[in-house]
Amino acid sequence: DAMVIQNPRYQVTQFGKPVTLSCSQTLNHNVMYWYQQKSSQAPKLLFHYYDKDFNNEADTPDNFQSRRPNTSFCFLDIRSPGLGDAAMYLCATSRDVGGGETQYFGPGTRLLVL
Amino acid sequence: GQNIDQPTEMTATEGAIVQINCTYQTSGFNGLFWYQQHAGEAPTFLSYNVLDGLEEKGRFSSFLSRSKGYSYLLLKELQMKDSASYLCAVRDGDYKLSFGAGTTVTVRA
Repeated sequence: DAMVIQNPRYQVTQFGKPVTLSCSQTLNHNVMYWYQQKSSQAPKLLFHYYDKDFNNEADTPDNFQSRRPNTSFCFLDIRSPGLGDAAMYLCATSRDVGGGETQYFGPGTRLLVL
Repeated sequence: GQNIDQPTEMTATEGAIVQINCTYQTSGFNGLFWYQQHAGEAPTFLSYNVLDGLEEKGRFSSFLSRSKGYSYLLLKELQMKDSASYLCAVRDGDYKLSFGAGTTVTVRA
């Protein structure tokens, strides 16, 4: 089945220690997104790639970076995690942008910062 | 900024109907989505509305009134597996979805 895959499902890191979260997709979609979702809150878009073009949301902290080495993979790098960065990180894809293009989500990686 | 409001919690009985309302104030409008999210899992797509009116998909229906900035998701013949959070999301441009905080629906036997 075509899908969006995130590994690991749970990630524990230490305060200030860089961490990378991974996302891959078999849908061959052009667009990949990273969202942050804190407990009982709405998912918040951090950035997205349209093909190789990177688009950062204005309020995304500099501490968050992303890489998309090819169509299938996208990474979220947190350079110096703080306690406030503990959250569920959701990767999503869409075939294109605009209109009724649906975003399909992966299962998420829950990040714990000690 | 974007403002999307939905009730925090709703409880209903198995077999009943529940209506989840969503009101929005956004700088633009390019469609409204409803997602279902079970605890600890990813949101899954339920419905999309861009024109006024009712979209029906099996037990789930979604309604939109653009002039009122209002949508609802109707869940019929509730089943225990429908216990989840339901997220309303508005696309205000080409790509960005702004989500509400979600409505947690609890279905009781």
